[in-house]
Amino acid sequence: DAGITQSPRHKVTETGTPVTLRCHQTENHRYMYWYRQDPGHGLRLIHYSYGVKDTDKGEVSDGYSVSRSKTEDFLLTLESATSSQTSVYFCAISDEDRGSYNEQFFGPGTRLTVL
Amino acid sequence: AQSVTQLDSHVSVSEGTPVLLRCNYSSSYSPSLFWYVQHPNKGLQLLLKYTSAATLVKGINGFEAEFKKSETSFHLTKPSAHMSDAAEYFCVVSDGNMLTFGGGTRLMVKP
Repeated sequence: DAGITQSPRHKVTETGTPVTLRCHQTENHRYMYWYRQDPGHGLRLIHYSYGVKDTDKGEVSDGYSVSRSKTEDFLLTLESATSSQTSVYFCAISDEDRGSYNEQFFGPGTRLTVL
Repeated sequence: AQSVTQLDSHVSVSEGTPVLLRCNYSSSYSPSLFWYVQHPNKGLQLLLKYTSAATLVKGINGFEAEFKKSETSFHLTKPSAHMSDAAEYFCVVSDGNMLTFGGGTRLMVKP
């Protein structure tokens, strides 16, 4: 299995509080991604990174920010959590750009509940 | 823009019978296509991928998928279902570093 860990694995928080999720990889892959998974929607891309300090928005980026200060860590922050952000969050990594052949490897997920 | 439609949200089969999970895609490019599997409370695992080589792709655990460009389909099949195949399956299209997921198909296997 690809060396990807996510922390915390479970979190319950209250509306309006800030939350930071961490993704850590030991594969030295260039690309890192944050997705959220909701029933009937598959996984939807929130933000991604193509290098240290290089990030871009995905399909559902509103209410989320990210940072990548080191190759191995990609942080997802909810500045002020809302109940609509209750979801399972997955981090993924992929290797150098090989065109459309890039396979992504997924972490174990973080279950976030916002009350 | 690219999109993926998984035609069945739930599929139920008996153990030992064939499995068919249907997927149609739309892409402006010559895409790569993937099937991922997610067992309950687990992350996603790659089953197989199509990358413009052979149109019939073999994956892990006896699964295979056939790329049909004329039908824009990439259906997943397995000749004989096993109880351990019960999971959610995602069809995914890629035009580069971005993946677009279908909504998922939950496969149930009855003894």
